[in-house]
Amino acid sequence: DAGVTQSPTHLIKTRGQQVTLRCSPKSGHDTVSWYQQALGQGPQFIFQYYEEEERQRGNFPDRFSGHQFPNYSSELNVNALLLGDSALYLCASSWPGQGFRTQYFGPGTRLLVL
Amino acid sequence: DAKTTQPPSMDCAEGRAANLPCNHSTISGNEYVYWYRQIHSQGPQYIIHGLKNNETNEMASLIITEDRKSSTLILPHATLRDTAVYYCIVRVETGANNLFFGTGTRLTVIP
Repeated sequence: DAGVTQSPTHLIKTRGQQVTLRCSPKSGHDTVSWYQQALGQGPQFIFQYYEEEERQRGNFPDRFSGHQFPNYSSELNVNALLLGDSALYLCASSWPGQGFRTQYFGPGTRLLVL
Repeated sequence: DAKTTQPPSMDCAEGRAANLPCNHSTISGNEYVYWYRQIHSQGPQYIIHGLKNNETNEMASLIITEDRKSSTLILPHATLRDTAVYYCIVRVETGANNLFFGTGTRLTVIP
């Protein structure tokens, strides 16, 4: 059983460009969350998708948008890239059921904006 | 979600128990304590969680004080592969289940 997968692993863009990152959740998981982790910091919550809708959003501008597909996979889009968007972008998935929703993280996509 | 306080760094000798403390003095009655760790250049990995009872799994033990204002993650026999940043997170189990990460404790296991 594959865990959470993300693509690409690394990406280099220039300021003003747009980028799309992809995430496939762990089998059986229906909820996908995205986090941004700047160097030396803990991950910061961007938003979460459930049933193809954004359910909750952190303190990130509208340049950050997402999508969830019927197969539960998800995309993170960032428009008008800034140098400060350089970070590790993490995807996490969790499963339905009673009680706990422990999140499983993918390896991340490292984005460098020049 | 309640905030947590962790020491920025700790060292532990290989083979010895690593005890990582976390203060969460403003925790609410319905908030759980979660521990994750992040090995360099990887995504965070779930370790353990609990509400008020002590918990143990194949990776670690979680000791929560009776007043629930602090907890300790115990790695019973630390190995070099346990070198990582450890995050203590407190949150409710309702609604959207995003996690709020602080800066964590950087544990270095020394040979």
